[in-house]
Amino acid sequence: AQSVTQPDIHITVSEGASLELRCNYSYGATPYLFWYVQSPGQGLQLLLKYFSGDTLVQGIKGFEAEFKRSQSSFNLRKPSVHWSDAAEYFCAVAPRYSGAGSYQLTFGKGTKLSVIP
Amino acid sequence: DAGVIQSPRHEVTEMGQEVTLRCKPISGHDYLFWYRQTMMRGLELLIYFNNNVPIDDSGMPEDRFSAKMPNASFSTLKIQPSEPRDSAVYFCASSTGDTQYFGPGTRLTVL
Repeated sequence: AQSVTQPDIHITVSEGASLELRCNYSYGATPYLFWYVQSPGQGLQLLLKYFSGDTLVQGIKGFEAEFKRSQSSFNLRKPSVHWSDAAEYFCAVAPRYSGAGSYQLTFGKGTKLSVIP
Repeated sequence: DAGVIQSPRHEVTEMGQEVTLRCKPISGHDYLFWYRQTMMRGLELLIYFNNNVPIDDSGMPEDRFSAKMPNASFSTLKIQPSEPRDSAVYFCASSTGDTQYFGPGTRLTVL
């Protein structure tokens, strides 16, 4: 069965520092990969996604993620964190055979990011 | 666009009562998803619809849960009877392409 692992439950960084959130997946074939962010009391917002092509993906809010097939990883990075980035971040996968619109997402448990001013 | 709309935002009820959660997807989206978020299990897909038809309800935890989509602009998730272990945040999401847009969620507390 597919699974998504986010090994870090909670990360604290100082404002201006760089950030890397880890995500590993277990899947029969390379799935579609997503990162979502959830601010307190809000729904989830898509940061970026990887389907194919360049393994370094740019997203919104200055985030990027790199797909590494050999490591089954899709880590999220940001070079300089802002206080407004404090939120919970979710990695998700969907089967590669999914048709447009019908992606059945499997989420990791999330990583909560705290930012020290 | 107003985005995905969910109501109520908060619901507190007593065990055994019927609970109905509501969702209005983004206009033009043909897929609608219901998720549940708990501390223990994280985010789980409960059911999803395509063009108002339920496609996969394998995530619905038990018969106490039911979902309907009578038209393209409205869906409900009903729990009858509710139990304390149903306490969670329930999200609705809609899509037409490769991005799911989530509503703000309904926080359900069953006492």
